[in-house]
Amino acid sequence: AAGVIQSPRHLIKEKRETATLKCYPIPRHDTVYWYQQGPGQDPQFLISFYEKMQSDKGSIPDRFSAQQFSDYHSELNMSSLELGDSALYFCASSLRGSGTGELFFGEGSRLTVL
Amino acid sequence: RKEVEQDPGPFNVPEGATVAFNCTYSNSASQSFFWYRQDCRKEPKLLMSVYSSGNEDGRFTAQLNRASQYISLLIRDSKLSDSATYLCVLYSGGGADGLTFGKGTHLIIQP
Repeated sequence: AAGVIQSPRHLIKEKRETATLKCYPIPRHDTVYWYQQGPGQDPQFLISFYEKMQSDKGSIPDRFSAQQFSDYHSELNMSSLELGDSALYFCASSLRGSGTGELFFGEGSRLTVL
Repeated sequence: RKEVEQDPGPFNVPEGATVAFNCTYSNSASQSFFWYRQDCRKEPKLLMSVYSSGNEDGRFTAQLNRASQYISLLIRDSKLSDSATYLCVLYSGGGADGLTFGKGTHLIIQP
């Protein structure tokens, strides 16, 4: 079965550069989530989209923005990168009406800021 | 008090043993409870949902105690492949922002 696809898997940037991460949710899933997980930390919710509209906002810095496109894929744009942005970024998708509450996570994009 | 608390471990357990760990939560309005498993440098994956009546899936048993505000996970006949971090996840409503992850309990099964 198709899973959540994230790209790139690994990304190395320098301070003050920009980065864009992409996420392709499971087909027919209507909700996409972005999480940031630092070393030894639990996943921190950044932002979510339901049916291509921003749904909820968590601890997403103002330097970050995200959007969901007509084909349901989502992009997380990060600007003025800081060393502390180095983390594993997970995208997850779900079907809101499924009743299970299960999130399906992608394999993550590892961002390293030098 | 943190919203979700877990003993980070590591729990070092011999293969074949039974191991249990808890997760306490502070928000009494929490509606749904889950255990996710996360392998090192991998994505979290749902292990099981936790129901008030308790639920069992093979070697895994999950319990919810609303009065004392904790959930538990019991693993019987542990296997080497059970080595992972187990994340306690709560949903308190209000959309995606209502989903809270614990920091996880690290389990190491030793041969």
